[in-house]
Amino acid sequence: AQKVTQAQTEISVVEKEDVTLDCVYETRDTTYYLFWYKQPPSGELVFLIRRNSFDEQNEISGRYSWNFQKSTSSFNFTITASQVVDSAVYFCALSERGYSTLTFGKGTMLLVSP
Amino acid sequence: GAVVSQHPSRVICKSGTSVKIECRSLDFQATTMFWYRQFPKQSLMLMATSNEGSKATYEQGVEKDKFLINHASLTLSTLTVTSAHPEDSSFYICSASDRDRGSYEQYFGPGTRLTVT
Repeated sequence: AQKVTQAQTEISVVEKEDVTLDCVYETRDTTYYLFWYKQPPSGELVFLIRRNSFDEQNEISGRYSWNFQKSTSSFNFTITASQVVDSAVYFCALSERGYSTLTFGKGTMLLVSP
Repeated sequence: GAVVSQHPSRVICKSGTSVKIECRSLDFQATTMFWYRQFPKQSLMLMATSNEGSKATYEQGVEKDKFLINHASLTLSTLTVTSAHPEDSSFYICSASDRDRGSYEQYFGPGTRLTVT
């Protein structure tokens, strides 16, 4: 069965600091998809990224970057030069091949203070 | 594209009454819709998976008679919380899969906050 672990429950940083959110996953399938979502206080889930298991290239999008390492079953998310607007709960999720069901981690609450 | 709406965004109801939440895919056809429940400061928990025209598949521990799901069309699924109790108060989120974009992608609605008094 698949599992997603986000060991960091809450992280507090000061604006402009870099912060990395950890995500470790478990799956028996060789084909799977990994996701990151942001949930601001309003509650709506905001899609950030999808990565399939065959694409281990790191990705950068503005201040966001993702490090996918199959060897350690990790898909970590880094925010560079954090801003107050980055304050939210961030969820990592996994979907196995052929299934659209998502397994979510418990989420990491990020608090960025001015 | 791939917009999902939910209505209402907030609802307060009295204990013992039923409340219906609608989930609509606005610009695509959703062969599959999902219903999640989220308690404060917790993760999303899948309640059920709904395929258009067929009965929903409920996750273990979710009472199908209490949480009635109907997916009558490719753009609409409804969740009815019957005989609501205060412990049903939660944030309910739906999502939908677009068959034209691949079944692995889910698009989330903005959520419905239910408070049962």
